[in-house]
Amino acid sequence: NAGVTQTPKFRILKIGQSMTLQCAQDMNHNYMYWYRQDPGMGLKLIYYSVGAGITDKGEVPNGYNVSRSTTEDFPLRLELAAPSQTSVYFCASTRTGVSNTEAFFGQGTRLTVV
Amino acid sequence: AQSVAQPEDQVNVAEGNPLTVKCTYSVSGNPYLFWYVQYPNRGLQFLLKYITGDNLVKGSYGFEAEFNKSQTSFHLKKPSALVSDSALYFCAVRDVGDRNNDMRFGAGTRLTVKP
Repeated sequence: NAGVTQTPKFRILKIGQSMTLQCAQDMNHNYMYWYRQDPGMGLKLIYYSVGAGITDKGEVPNGYNVSRSTTEDFPLRLELAAPSQTSVYFCASTRTGVSNTEAFFGQGTRLTVV
Repeated sequence: AQSVAQPEDQVNVAEGNPLTVKCTYSVSGNPYLFWYVQYPNRGLQFLLKYITGDNLVKGSYGFEAEFNKSQTSFHLKKPSALVSDSALYFCAVRDVGDRNNDMRFGAGTRLTVKP
């Protein structure tokens, strides 16, 4: 079982460049999430989606955009990369929106903006 | 909004000794509580959760956690630590009444088990 797959694993961007972080899940989960993990700060929610065509902002959405055209895919877009976006990004999914469901995480994308 | 605190950045224990990783939470309603573990260069993996019922929850790899409502705590425990338990541990909370489906994570505690 593949679970949640993120690509790329590593990326270095120059300030002002753009890129898309890919996330795909094969568990038919409706709910998907993007988090960033900064040292000593835990995970912060960027955006989430409750199903295809529906997205919403999380705690730290500025500088990012998302789309959800299919149940399987939930890409995260950085339009104008800034050094403050240097972080490790994790995509996650849950079976339903019921709050008691545990999340499945991808392996992460380590992004450095220079 | 809900929040989680993990008061210890680092916990060191000797192999074979019991371990405790602390977590306290704050929610406006009732909590759903989770523990996740992260090994180097990997995503987070689910360990255990408290939803309702028995305050002592048993999870993967011999870990357990005790929900204490009066102290708003959900400490992770294991009776006998293994070197392979060395990893980064995250506590997380959801508010039962939260329609935004937002889960808040603590900053993480790095557990090191020495032989």
